[in-house]
Amino acid sequence: EVQLVQSGTEVKKPGESLKISCKGSGYSFTSYWIGWVRQMPGKGLEWMGAIYPGDSDSRYSQSFQGQVTISADKSFSIAYLQWSSLKASDTAMYYCARSIYGSGSYGAFGIWGQGTMVTVSS
Amino acid sequence: QSALTQPASVSGSPGQSITISCTETSSDVGSYNLVSWYQHHPGKAPKLMIYEGIKRPSGVSNRFSGFKSGNTASLTISGLQAEDEADYHCSSYARSGALVFGGGTKLTVL
Repeated sequence: EVQLVQSGTEVKKPGESLKISCKGSGYSFTSYWIGWVRQMPGKGLEWMGAIYPGDSDSRYSQSFQGQVTISADKSFSIAYLQWSSLKASDTAMYYCARSIYGSGSYGAFGIWGQGTMVTVSS
Repeated sequence: QSALTQPASVSGSPGQSITISCTETSSDVGSYNLVSWYQHHPGKAPKLMIYEGIKRPSGVSNRFSGFKSGNTASLTISGLQAEDEADYHCSSYARSGALVFGGGTKLTVL
């Protein structure tokens, strides 16, 4: 079964760092783009960026460029989303999702992780 | 403000058909041939319902259909069922290559 399993709920303080994960299984992890999507409380979905684990090519939304880092460890089939200094406004649900396409495109997410809730509060 | 505009809410009775629109509000959006639609039930992961504007992934009911006209892509759900009540999000590509989502539409089945 093709699936993405994300790390668990996080509660952090402003200024702290955080790295959440997304482990792929049941398919060739290096052959599909994985994207990260944010959903703030009561809001819509926002694409943050994506990575192609095969060569670590990454793309970012202008809104998130410089605010987060997307990486992948193909040896362990894990993609990561990390922050160096969290803000209260980072409080949200974060989803990883795999494109239905191979190397050619990072759109059309056919497989989703279960989501990781991140709460940032003093 | 999203480059893709969706109505905040739509509603319909069981058995009826409804259509959700997704309108380009910025020349930054690249192509409606690449519009995807997602169904999102609260507390669950989103589910891909339509991609490339009109294609259904395997396993998605043929009650869901997509089309586009001019600068508007649309998702139609026919034969509404209670389980269709969810949020629906469209997405496409900006000319920069970034993906963008619409603001989402809450579907209520009366």
